[in-house]
Amino acid sequence: DGGITQSPKYLFRKEGQNVTLSCEQNLNHDAMYWYRQDPGQGLRLIYYSQIVNDFQKGDIAEGYSVSREKKESFPLTVTSAQKNPTAFYLCASSMRDGYGYTFGSGTRLTVV
Amino acid sequence: EDQVTQSPEALRLQEGESSSLNCSYTVSGLRGLFWYRQDPGKGPEFLFTLYSAGEEKEKERLKATLTKKESFLHITAPKPEDSATYLCAARSGAGSYQLTFGKGTKLSVIP
Repeated sequence: DGGITQSPKYLFRKEGQNVTLSCEQNLNHDAMYWYRQDPGQGLRLIYYSQIVNDFQKGDIAEGYSVSREKKESFPLTVTSAQKNPTAFYLCASSMRDGYGYTFGSGTRLTVV
Repeated sequence: EDQVTQSPEALRLQEGESSSLNCSYTVSGLRGLFWYRQDPGKGPEFLFTLYSAGEEKEKERLKATLTKKESFLHITAPKPEDSATYLCAARSGAGSYQLTFGKGTKLSVIP
């Protein structure tokens, strides 16, 4: 079945470490997105990519980095510059025109 | 700036007690109003997309409607398994594909 796979489901990070969250899709979607979800807040856009080798900053890109070397993959790195990284991270993908928006199951990141 | 506001933040219903969730939006040139269901610790699951005022869509006990300023998610005779957070999102016609989300309504259906 086609879908989006995020891994790991749970991730723990020590202060000062960089960590990378994986997102893979087999829907043949052109566009991919990363959102952050905090309790009591809506989903906030971190980065998005509409085509391979191109990506744009969203509303809260500071402290995060991404790459889009393959159509199927859009990994997110949470750097040590992100001051409050504990959150639930969601990856999504869609067709080029924005339709068929589909989410992965999420990664919960905790700083220890 | 595009904005989506959902109300109420939380709603408790008795099983079988019908009600509605509200989603107010201000976007430039709406290109789609989306409803998602999200269970705790999981990603949002797609429910409906509405494109024009007056449009309605139904799925089991859920019906979504759209006006020029708001969307409603009507829940008829809810069951405990309908308990979840319901998210509303809007896509504008301003040339980008990402969605603007509301904060969600947490629905609890009590047996």
